[in-house]
Amino acid sequence: AQTVTQSQPEMSVQEAETVTLSCTYDTSENNYYLFWYKQPPSRQMILVIRQEAYKQQNATENRFSVNFQKAAKSFSLKISDSQLGDTAMYFCAFTSGTYKYIFGTGTRLKVLA
Amino acid sequence: AAGVIQSPRHLIKEKRETATLKCYPIPRHDTVYWYQQGPGQDPQFLISFYEKMQSDKGSIPDRFSAQQFSDYHSELNMSSLELGDSALYFCASSPRGVYEQYFGPGTRLTVT
Repeated sequence: AQTVTQSQPEMSVQEAETVTLSCTYDTSENNYYLFWYKQPPSRQMILVIRQEAYKQQNATENRFSVNFQKAAKSFSLKISDSQLGDTAMYFCAFTSGTYKYIFGTGTRLKVLA
Repeated sequence: AAGVIQSPRHLIKEKRETATLKCYPIPRHDTVYWYQQGPGQDPQFLISFYEKMQSDKGSIPDRFSAQQFSDYHSELNMSSLELGDSALYFCASSPRGVYEQYFGPGTRLTVT
């Protein structure tokens, strides 16, 4: 069975600084997708970034980038130039096969002014 | 762009009552997923449908049932509600063969 682990329940970062959120996963699949979702206080699930396992190049979306280490089954999210609006819960998610998402337990990120 | 629509957005029920949550996927999305997110928890997969057929099943209680209709909207029926059913229920949709899911705003169910 696939599992997703986020070992950092809470993190904080100063505005304009850089922070990295960790995510590890376990699977025997070779083809899969990984995502980072942001959940602000509104509880809406907002896609931050996606990574296809068959792609070696790390995905980037503006201030957000990932460090995807397939062999180590690691998928960390780096947020550069942190903004107050980045304050939210961040979930790492895995999917393959039947497409259902398996989420990690989340990391609560607080950006400090 | 059209998004996933969920109704109602908030629902308050008493124990042992029934509740029906509705989900309207993005146009041309034929796959629907339901997730339950308890307080302070990550979303847990309940059930999914593709072309009106159940495609996968997760940790969905036997008291819950769901279906997808010919217009691709889906309903989650919950009976004999318990206090522990209080949660945020997300619906997500995707086109066939696409891994990325688009989430609705959720329905917050409170059971008293």
